Amino acid sequence: EDQVTQSPEALRLQEGESSSLNCSYTVSGLRGLFWYRQDPGKGPEFLFTLYSAGEEKEKERLKATLTKKESFLHITAPKPEDSATYLCAVFQGGSEKLVFGKGTKLTVNP
Amino acid sequence: SAVISQKPSRDICQRGTSLTIQCQVDSQVTMMFWYRQQPGQSLTLIATANQGSEATYESGFVIDKFPISRPNLTFSTLTVSNMSPEDSSIYLCSVGQGPEAFFGQGTRLTVV
Repeated sequence: EDQVTQSPEALRLQEGESSSLNCSYTVSGLRGLFWYRQDPGKGPEFLFTLYSAGEEKEKERLKATLTKKESFLHITAPKPEDSATYLCAVFQGGSEKLVFGKGTKLTVNP
Repeated sequence: SAVISQKPSRDICQRGTSLTIQCQVDSQVTMMFWYRQQPGQSLTLIATANQGSEATYESGFVIDKFPISRPNLTFSTLTVSNMSPEDSSIYLCSVGQGPEAFFGQGTRLTVV
């Protein structure tokens, strides 16, 4: 069964304190791993797509990396506005359906 | 990109009643998706709605409980029927997949 597991469930950082979020996955034939950001009261917003092991994508203070079993979302010198829930998802094997992890709720304190 | 308007944004409903959630997209799309996001749980796909055909439901979701309409290429509704407190959740509509996925802001439903 295709699964996506994110850790930690919640993470509190001080402004400027860098850290990483983890997304481990088991899926037959990975066809893309996706990171989304979700703010309270809003739907998820697309951040990154990673397709193959070794691939990296960057956007401002965020960098996403991918191995054969997991992905990391690195947050460098975070700011309070980076506070959100970060979701990871993969395409279910053989379909166009997304399987989501439970997300990591990030809080960055000033 | 796509802009999705979802209504209502939140509601508190009595058990045994039904609520219809509307989803309007600013462009024509073939497929629309309905998700449920329960507290502390991942987004779970309820069904895929194609215009002109019956919606396709995922395992654990049935049409009698979650009837869906798709009258045209820019609009869909999801009804949560005969509600119980276990239906309290956020319901989201979406278009596109993966990097092309766009979501509505969600409907926060509380059943009392």
